[in-house]
Amino acid sequence: DQQVKQNSPSLSVQEGRISILNCDYTNSMFDYFLWYKKYPAEGPTFLISISSIKDKNEDGRFTVFLNKSAKHLSLHIVPSQPGDSAVYFCAATAETGANNLFFGTGTRLTVIP
Amino acid sequence: DGGITQSPKYLFRKEGQNVTLSCEQNLNHDAMYWYRQDPGQGLRLIYYSQIVNDFQKGDIAEGYSVSREKKESFPLTVTSAQKNPTAFYLCATGQGTSLKNIQYFGAGTRLSVL
Repeated sequence: DQQVKQNSPSLSVQEGRISILNCDYTNSMFDYFLWYKKYPAEGPTFLISISSIKDKNEDGRFTVFLNKSAKHLSLHIVPSQPGDSAVYFCAATAETGANNLFFGTGTRLTVIP
Repeated sequence: DGGITQSPKYLFRKEGQNVTLSCEQNLNHDAMYWYRQDPGQGLRLIYYSQIVNDFQKGDIAEGYSVSREKKESFPLTVTSAQKNPTAFYLCATGQGTSLKNIQYFGAGTRLSVL
């Protein structure tokens, strides 16, 4: 059973516009969330994270929003650039009883020049 | 050149054969992880090790074995008990021992069954 879900397998956005990637989770024990980016033929690289004590974390063009009541997080990229074209994975884990980092299935973002 | 080296890039397994995937790191990270990725699915944790000579099962450890005799190395053996081994395998490292820490990934090994 997929505990972290990314329901949009792909997303296309014009360069300069905002990209919004969504992620839902089912386990209310999750208290830490991460986003990774993956280019073809490379391993994923860390992008940004957020703790459940916050509802927003920002790093340059990347902002992650967390809505605990809805068990939903989103990654905003603004402005989007062609180099942002990649697969984005969200991941979640819990402080207690954590022996797993659960990943979503990924969303392929294409930024059109 | 610092980083995580996974080898081989492609690997083929015959029926009933055990195969070992290599993962070496020179980042001096304590923790190492093995993930499996199948089409349409997220990465799933197979095993992880927070310290030399110790490792823990992840979500899908059945049919796999690992060892951590050296800090730099965390090989994964796909045994004949793993009935569906065809997948993309990713090794990762982390500076601390918490799963909340940033993980650094290798480029992966694609395993196929002949």
